[in-house]
Amino acid sequence: AQTVTQSQPEMSVQEAETVTLSCTYDTSENNYYLFWYKQPPSRQMILVIRQEAYKQQNATENRFSVNFQKAAKSFSLKISDSQLGDTAMYFCASLNYGGSQGNLIFGKGTKLSVKP
Amino acid sequence: EAGVTQFPSHSVIEKGQTVTLRCDPISGHDNLYWYRRVMGKEIKFLLHFVKESKQDESGMPNNRFLAERTGGTYSTLKVQPAELEDSGVYFCASSHGSLELFFGEGSRLTVL
Repeated sequence: AQTVTQSQPEMSVQEAETVTLSCTYDTSENNYYLFWYKQPPSRQMILVIRQEAYKQQNATENRFSVNFQKAAKSFSLKISDSQLGDTAMYFCASLNYGGSQGNLIFGKGTKLSVKP
Repeated sequence: EAGVTQFPSHSVIEKGQTVTLRCDPISGHDNLYWYRRVMGKEIKFLLHFVKESKQDESGMPNNRFLAERTGGTYSTLKVQPAELEDSGVYFCASSHGSLELFFGEGSRLTVL
């Protein structure tokens, strides 16, 4: 069965510093997508960044970037210049290409606290 | 534009009772998904609607769970009878054919 593992249940970082959240996954598929979702306290979960497995270039979205290592099945999220609003639960997820759309496989999440 | 809304935000019921959770997707989104997160565990996919049809219900845990989307607009997820292990947060999400899912805030269910 497909799995996504986030080995850091909780992390903290000082405002303006950089933090990296880890994620590893296990899939037998060759084509798939990887996602990072963010859920602030008492708010909706929103998509932070997406990576297609067939693309070698790491995805970036402003202060958020990923380090995608396909052979190692690793998909870490780097947040640069952390802001107080980045405090949230972060979920890593995978989705098989061509599979049931929306059948995301999630990790358990990492609770990130950004401290002033 | 209104986002995905879920009701109730929190429900506390006794074991054996019935609870119905509602999800209103973003207007125009044909795809609607239900997920569940049991405390301390991963968020798990339950099912996927395309308009009023169930596209994939492989994640539904058992026949105590019934999801409907009459008319292809809002959806309900009924748990009857509820068991202790059904406690958790139930998320709804919608999309318009793309890979970006828009989530609601979730409905927390506590079964005592």
